[in-house]
Amino acid sequence: ETGVTQSPTHLIKTRGQQVTLRCSSQSGHNTVSWYQQALGQGPQFIFQYYREEENGRGNFPPRFSGLQFPNYSSELNVNALELDDSALYLCASSLTQSGQFFGPGTRLTVL
Amino acid sequence: AQRVTQPEKLLSVFKGAPVELKCNYSYSGSPELFWYVQYSRQRLQLLLRHISRESIKGFTADLNKGETSFHLKKPFAQEEDSAMYYCALDESNTGKLIFGQGTTLQVKP
Repeated sequence: ETGVTQSPTHLIKTRGQQVTLRCSSQSGHNTVSWYQQALGQGPQFIFQYYREEENGRGNFPPRFSGLQFPNYSSELNVNALELDDSALYLCASSLTQSGQFFGPGTRLTVL
Repeated sequence: AQRVTQPEKLLSVFKGAPVELKCNYSYSGSPELFWYVQYSRQRLQLLLRHISRESIKGFTADLNKGETSFHLKKPFAQEEDSAMYYCALDESNTGKLIFGQGTTLQVKP
């Protein structure tokens, strides 16, 4: 059984560009949640996917979007990048509603 | 609005001293609360959840609904406890976690 993995580890983009971050859930987990963690802050909930459907969204604009695939891996897409999007992006998978397992994160820098 | 507050950014204690990391929450329903820990260069991991009423690595946390608190305690701190600790609330048991800002625990030898 493998844990949650994320790719890439880090990347640098410029304002206005688009980015796709990827997450591979822990084996058998059908729920994935994405979080944004700005420097010095706690993670902030972006959205959650359950069996390929969005299942709740935090206070993030529509330019943050996601996908979950049949194998339960997922993507986070951010369009029209802004400087404030610079953060660590975490995904977490779970089988039940409790007990989320986090990935190592993707560090996004927007210049 | 639901909120989790961790009033201390940094808590520094000596090895063997008691530790209490504070967490207060605001939530109208019946909360499900967690403590997550992040050791240096490691990923965020679940330490304990209130419904389990368990003790992990000597840490315990009791939900006090009257004071809307979920403080994390350990009677005797160890150097390996040094880490960032986050309190989190699960909104309506949906798996959507609301995190506090975190407290860095520094245990000095």
